[in-house]
Amino acid sequence: EDQVTQSPEALRLQEGESSSLNCSYTVSGLRGLFWYRQDPGKGPEFLFTLYSAGEEKEKERLKATLTKKESFLHITAPKPEDSATYLCAVQVLSGSARQLTFGSGTQLTVLP
Amino acid sequence: EAGVTQSPTHLIKTRGQQATLRCSPISGHTSVYWYQQALGLGLQFLLWYDEGEERNRGNFPPRFSGRQFPNYSSELNVNALELEDSALYLCASSQTDRNTEAFFGQGTRLTVV
Repeated sequence: EDQVTQSPEALRLQEGESSSLNCSYTVSGLRGLFWYRQDPGKGPEFLFTLYSAGEEKEKERLKATLTKKESFLHITAPKPEDSATYLCAVQVLSGSARQLTFGSGTQLTVLP
Repeated sequence: EAGVTQSPTHLIKTRGQQATLRCSPISGHTSVYWYQQALGLGLQFLLWYDEGEERNRGNFPPRFSGRQFPNYSSELNVNALELEDSALYLCASSQTDRNTEAFFGQGTRLTVV
């Protein structure tokens, strides 16, 4: 069974204090790994897709990396507006399946 | 370019009733996915439609059903509503046959009383 585990469940940072969120996965074959940001009561906002080990992508203060077993979302010098729940999801190589399997998320709070 | 739109934003139903939720995908996207996000829980995959056909469904009972129309919009129907169906229902769209991203709408908050 495909599994996605995110850690920590919650993270509180001071503004400017860099850190990393972890997403470990167990799948039969990985088609892609996705990162989303979700604000309370809203739909997830797409951030990154990673397809192969060693791949990295950056957007403003965020950088996502991928290995064969896990992905990291690095947040550099975060600001209060970065506070949100960050979701990791995998799309597996299984026939025609295209749906995403999500982790439970990391709730990030950045204090001013 | 318009994103994924869902309606209604909020829906309150009584236990045993039926609910219909609607989704319009991004222009050019042929795949629509439905997810359930119950309070405090992660996103659970419900249904995937592509080119008007149901391609896959998650581990939900048959009273969760839907369809996709020729213009690729979709509706999700939930029959015989139960209290535990109260959740945020999210629709996402993507292009198929490519490694492309799935973009989400803002969701429909369904409350069953």
